[in-house]
Amino acid sequence: EAEVAQSPRYKITEKSQAVAFWCDPISGHATLYWYRQILGQGPELLVQFQDESVVDDSQLPKDRFSAERLKGVDSTLKIQPAELGDSAMYLCASSPDQGDTQYFGPGTRLTVL
Amino acid sequence: KQEVTQIPAALSVPEGENLVLNCSFTDSAIYNLQWFRQDPGKGLTSLLLIQSSQREQTSGRLNASLDKSSGRSTLYIAASQPGDSATYLCAVLESGGGADGLTFGKGTHLIIQP
Repeated sequence: EAEVAQSPRYKITEKSQAVAFWCDPISGHATLYWYRQILGQGPELLVQFQDESVVDDSQLPKDRFSAERLKGVDSTLKIQPAELGDSAMYLCASSPDQGDTQYFGPGTRLTVL
Repeated sequence: KQEVTQIPAALSVPEGENLVLNCSFTDSAIYNLQWFRQDPGKGLTSLLLIQSSQREQTSGRLNASLDKSSGRSTLYIAASQPGDSATYLCAVLESGGGADGLTFGKGTHLIIQP
């Protein structure tokens, strides 16, 4: 069964350093999402792509976060510089198209020291 | 702004009991509602998706209902098992097309005692 892949699974970094997360959606899925989940909370959307285009990045802290999906397939989320409050689980999800069921990857657990 | 609330925040029941998890949302203009399961430190697994035009969906021992007009959904788990222990998250997808990120509740942490 096809799955959303994410790497790394765990990342520990010091504040002010740069970090990057990678996501490979299910093959053929046009829509890709990045969510952030703080411990004890539900996930919150950071950015949504339709193919290579950004559909919604209204909740992405653009002074330090960036996301790209250059060829409309895999995606990278970057944080520079990382802050203590960025410690969270970063989840990637994909769906065949907008409005369809979203399938989530295993997440990347980020700890900022 | 859509807000999703889940009650209770935590629940512990003996194995074999039937149980109900509750979810409410403030804006009834939704496209669909999904229930997810999340094991500690893991990603989300989709359990059931209910379209706005539907009243309920069933999968095995799980049954989810949707009352869109009152802004409520329930997840019914029959004959609970220790393997059902996890956090259950409710999420709504709002209508309108375009941006369709899910809005999640904080989840119900469920423990099934052997």
